[in-house]
Amino acid sequence: EAGVAQSPRYKIIEKRQSVAFWCNPISGHATLYWYQQILGQGPKLLIQFQNNGVVDDSQLPKDRFSAERLKGVDSTLKIQPAKLEDSAVYLCASSHRDGMTYNEQFFGPGTRLTVL
Amino acid sequence: AQSVAQPEDQVKVAEGNPLTVKCTYSVSGNPYLFWYVQYPNRGLQFLLKYITGDNLVKGSYGFEAEFNKSQTSFHLKKPSALVSDSALYFCAVRREAAGNKLTFGGGTRVLVKP
Repeated sequence: EAGVAQSPRYKIIEKRQSVAFWCNPISGHATLYWYQQILGQGPKLLIQFQNNGVVDDSQLPKDRFSAERLKGVDSTLKIQPAKLEDSAVYLCASSHRDGMTYNEQFFGPGTRLTVL
Repeated sequence: AQSVAQPEDQVKVAEGNPLTVKCTYSVSGNPYLFWYVQYPNRGLQFLLKYITGDNLVKGSYGFEAEFNKSQTSFHLKKPSALVSDSALYFCAVRREAAGNKLTFGGGTRVLVKP
């Protein structure tokens, strides 16, 4: 079974530029998550999708961050404009449909973003 | 609100010795608890989870964790550590209610010396 795919793996941009990250979840996984992991901290959930609908985006800085999952499969996370404090690893994860089952999340390798 | 505390930033053990990584949590209602491991430049890998039932949970790579409701703890253990266990370990919690929002601890770096 193929894992969660993410690209690019690394990205360096200057502040005020825009950047986009792509995620392809495990086939059949209805739930997709984007996390931000700042160096030395645990991952923090930014947004959760169930199919193509948003379940939780309470911690997404909506003035600069946006995410979509138009066809309920791949997802894109965008930052525009980037700030220095956005430097982090952005992790994508997926899991089976939540429902009444309690499935673990499977994580991709992440995209390391450096904002100069 | 739910939270996780991993009180040790780093744990050092000698290869062959027992390894314990501590985790305490705070959540309303019944908790679902998870341990993940992160190797350099890689995503998090699932180790084990506690949902209900036996308080001792066995997971991947010889790891196990003990759920203690009275102490709100979920410590990760391995009887005999390997050098290859050196990595960053994260404890996470979610509520029993619908929704799979995980809250992670800050992580504990494990260093196993040969």
